Amino acid sequence: SQTIHQWPATLVQPVGSPLSLECTVEGTSNPNLYWYRQAAGRGLQLLFYSVGIGQISSEVPQNLSASRPQDRQFILSSKKLLLSDSGFYLCAWSRAGGNSPLHFGNGTRLTVT
Amino acid sequence: DQQVKQNSPSLSVQEGRISILNCDYTNSMFDYFLWYKKYPAEGPTFLISISSIKDKNEDGRFTVFLNKSAKHLSLHIVPSQPGDSAVYFCAARGNSGGSNYKLTFGKGTLLTVNP
Repeated sequence: SQTIHQWPATLVQPVGSPLSLECTVEGTSNPNLYWYRQAAGRGLQLLFYSVGIGQISSEVPQNLSASRPQDRQFILSSKKLLLSDSGFYLCAWSRAGGNSPLHFGNGTRLTVT
Repeated sequence: DQQVKQNSPSLSVQEGRISILNCDYTNSMFDYFLWYKKYPAEGPTFLISISSIKDKNEDGRFTVFLNKSAKHLSLHIVPSQPGDSAVYFCAARGNSGGSNYKLTFGKGTLLTVNP
């Protein structure tokens, strides 16, 4: 069966510090990978998605970047965090092609102070 | 522009009764719809989906209905159980080139099932 791991579960970082959140998927190959953010009182906003190694599509301009160094690894980064980067970050995967649901990790609660 | 709307932020239901969660969408290119359930501090869990070629899909206590002409879908939970208390998100996917991979989510409805 497929599993998705996302860490850390919670993170408190000062403004201006760097960020690295990691996500790995097991039990499948060549998945589509996604980073979503849920801000307080809002729905889930797609930040980045990737259909293959090194292929990253950005949905919204922001202070964040994503990378996919390996087939089942997806990393969300920032060089300098802003207060507005606080939120609940979710990694997800889906099978490539066709109608298949996204499966989410347990998320990272990021608080920028 | 909010393309997927869940107009009820919350819903309260008695245990054993039916819960009906509603969702409206505006983009006619959406052709695949999903419902997710989310507990606090956890990621959303996939519940059930429906493609636009169907108008109903059932899985145990969960049934999703799709009305394409009204651009409306609903999730029915029968019978409702206290463990169903969570935030429910409606999501939709388009079928136009690069948007084929992306889900657009509503803001969610908090369901509370009272014992």
